[in-house]
Amino acid sequence: AQSVTQPDIHITVSEGASLELRCNYSYGATPYLFWYVQSPGQGLQLLLKYFSGDTLVQGIKGFEAEFKRSQSSFNLRKPSVHWSDAAEYFCAVGATGNQFYFGTGTSLTVIP
Amino acid sequence: GAGVSQSPSNKVTEKGKDVELRCDPISGHTALYWYRQSLGQGLEFLIYFQGNSAPDKSGLPSDRFSAERTGGSVSTLTIQRTQQEDSAVYLCASSLWTGRNNEQFFGPGTRLTVL
Repeated sequence: AQSVTQPDIHITVSEGASLELRCNYSYGATPYLFWYVQSPGQGLQLLLKYFSGDTLVQGIKGFEAEFKRSQSSFNLRKPSVHWSDAAEYFCAVGATGNQFYFGTGTSLTVIP
Repeated sequence: GAGVSQSPSNKVTEKGKDVELRCDPISGHTALYWYRQSLGQGLEFLIYFQGNSAPDKSGLPSDRFSAERTGGSVSTLTIQRTQQEDSAVYLCASSLWTGRNNEQFFGPGTRLTVL
């Protein structure tokens, strides 16, 4: 069965520090993977996506993610976090039947 | 251009009442999704529309939930005889075409509170 796991419910980092948000997926075929960000009171915005090719993908706002098939992971990273990055982050996998499976999200707090 | 819009942004209702939630997708987007986001939960798929095809209703949690999409554009999610467990944020998303490699564009959501 398809599923997405985000092990970290909440993460706190200092502004300027590096960030890594974990995502593990379960999908039988080649996964189509996404990271979305949700700011308070806002809808979800796409940060980046992976379909094929280079396993390191670059997204908006300085984010990147690396697809590791052997680990069934698609972790999101940012080298230096800004206070405006505080938000909820969701990992998702696109599955057959045009359905998408989302993780439960990771809430990011940025402290000065 | 305009993004996905949803109305109302907030809805408070009493248990047992019916509610209607509206979604206006991006013009030209053929696919439309409804999700439910409960506290501490991820996005739960509810229903999917693609053009004039029959919708995929496999995610609707009970027969109290229904949705329609008129003219391939605006969609309405209806919850009948609301229960307290229906309290959640209901998100609508649209995408240009179908397929699991689609980027979905999300609206801001409707926060439903059932008292």
